[in-house]
Amino acid sequence: DTGVSQDPRHKITKRGQNVTFRCDPISEHNRLYWYRQTLGQGPEFLTYFQNEAQLEKSRLLSDRFSAERPKGSFSTLEIQRTEQGDSAMYLCASSNPGHVPETQYFGPGTRLLVL
Amino acid sequence: QQPVQSPQAVILREGEDAVINCSSSKALYSVHWYRQKHGEAPVFLMILLKGGEQKGHDKISASFNEKKQQSSLYLTASQLSYSGTYFCGTEGLTDSWGKLQFGAGTQVVVTP
Repeated sequence: DTGVSQDPRHKITKRGQNVTFRCDPISEHNRLYWYRQTLGQGPEFLTYFQNEAQLEKSRLLSDRFSAERPKGSFSTLEIQRTEQGDSAMYLCASSNPGHVPETQYFGPGTRLLVL
Repeated sequence: QQPVQSPQAVILREGEDAVINCSSSKALYSVHWYRQKHGEAPVFLMILLKGGEQKGHDKISASFNEKKQQSSLYLTASQLSYSGTYFCGTEGLTDSWGKLQFGAGTQVVVTP
């Protein structure tokens, strides 16, 4: 049983560049979540998908952030015109709401550094 | 509303016990506990549902007091492998899906 995978694991970019991260959930999980985690804090919800539908977005998610899950499998998170404040760990998690209680399993994360 | 965890950090010697608390200001359906080691993903430990049940995972157990909207995680006879940051994630009664809000974490260091 493979877990949640994320790519890349690390990304260094210059301010103003665009970056895209990928998340592959556990295969039978139809819910997928994106979180952001900064140093010394817990994961902070950004957005989530049920299959291919994006059902909720945090108010923290500015217009520079967009997420997709085109076929209900993997998901991408794009940040346009990156700012230094975007530096953080971006975590993806997946779950199967058919399993009660529903448990979210996290991937290893993508650590972003904006210079 | 982010749950509040206490203490922020604890240092233990191998074999000692510790308690980590998680408090919420809203009515809860469930509390989820995770442990995260430096540079790694949070790893799921256990879920507690409303009903005040207590659960255990090896020598780590937890309780949920729904009247007080509090959960406690108990580390018993701590091992070096217990070191890491522990997060509670809470799901509110009025939340329409499994949305979790996480506390800021409790850093646990277990020394030989």
